[in-house]
This record gives sequence, structure tokens and C-alpha cells, in this order.
Amino acid sequence: GQQVMQIPQYQHVQEGEDFTTYCNSSTTLSNIQWYKQRPGGHPVFLIQLVKSGEVKKQKRLTFQFGEAKKNSSLHITATQTTDVGTYFCAGSRDNYGQNFVFGPGTRLSVLP
Amino acid sequence: DTGVSQNPRHKITKRGQNVTFRCDPISEHNRLYWYRQTLGQGPEFLTYFQNEAQLEKSRLLSDRFSAERPKGSFSTLEIQRTEQGDSAMYLCASSLGGGWKEKLFFGSGTQLSVL
Repeated sequence: GQQVMQIPQYQHVQEGEDFTTYCNSSTTLSNIQWYKQRPGGHPVFLIQLVKSGEVKKQKRLTFQFGEAKKNSSLHITATQTTDVGTYFCAGSRDNYGQNFVFGPGTRLSVLP
Repeated sequence: DTGVSQNPRHKITKRGQNVTFRCDPISEHNRLYWYRQTLGQGPEFLTYFQNEAQLEKSRLLSDRFSAERPKGSFSTLEIQRTEQGDSAMYLCASSLGGGWKEKLFFGSGTQLSVL
């Protein structure tokens, strides 16, 4: 079945440093989404990428979808303590958004 | 609050007992999903509904698990004869559906502990 992997599993950074998490799917995806889950909270939608090679930015966050639509990345510039949490990618193989498969997540700690 | 609501927030039960969880999605959302999450892992898909129809169920899901969405609004997830391995956070999510512009809104989850 479809598998979604993420690296690294954990990342500890000093406030102000950059952070990147990578997501890889075993199969070609129709689209990919990113979610953030704060400690003790539930996943919150960040963004969706659909097109091959797509790049989207949200303030300090930059999201990329690979040309082959099998990988994606999330880059945070100049991390802040509010960025703490676990970042999940979720991939869907079909165009109807069904059965999103979530990766195991990257847990980000930001030291002040 | 018009977000996704889940009850109860916590459930402690003894092995072998049945438990039922409820999810109230955002009112205009026609899709409803159930996920399970264990510590350090991402949400694992269990099943999803389009209105009242259950359209997909994970092949990994035991026959002890059943979900309903009788009127296309709220949903219930029942686990029969609970096992310790069922201990997890059960998350419900809803979405507008209707194509690839799918954005999941998650509830706060029900934390199940099976003793």
C-alpha cells in the first residue's frame, strides 16, 4: 500500500535558525497537504499542493512539491518559539481527496 | 464554537468492554473521516463517509470497529471487545468534499485508554 515517510523524526533548533522537513511517498500523489499539530492539540491544516514543481509561501514557511509528485518539503525561515509542534505531510493518490495517508511527522523544538 | 466536536474527550475502559465515541462535524461539511493516532505517529486512516454513506474503510481495521453516520450529520465510532492495543487518540475530521480541494478540519479527539 501507499507509504509516506518523513525525515527527520525530530529537529531541535535555536530560535532564529532555519528548519526543513522532507516528505517522501512510495507512490505518485495527486496532491499533498501539510498539517501542524501543537503539543496536546489536533492537526491543523496549513496548505495543499497540487501541481508538479509547485512552490507556495506563507510568511516564513515555504512549501514545495516535487516534479515527480512523490516528494515534498516544508522550510521555515528564522524559526520562532511559536513554530514548536509536529509537522505532518498527508498525501492523496486520487483527485477526490479521499483517504489521505499521513506521514509520521517531524517534531520541531525551538530553543529560545 | 462551530468547529468539529468530539465526545467524550477521555475514555478509560477495561479490556473486553465496548466503547462508543461521537463526532459532530462542521454543519455544512458532507465528508467525515475517522483517524487513529498513537504517540509519536501520524494519524492513521480508519474510515470515511460522504453524507450518510460509508465509502471507504481501512483494510487494517478490525471487524470489532464499526462506524455510522445515520443522517449524514453526526457520526459514531464503536469498538467492541476492546483490547489494550486499541488505546490511542481517535480523531474525527470533516471537510466540504467535492473534489481535490479537500481541507480536513480535525476535532480535539477522544483519548481511549484500555486497561
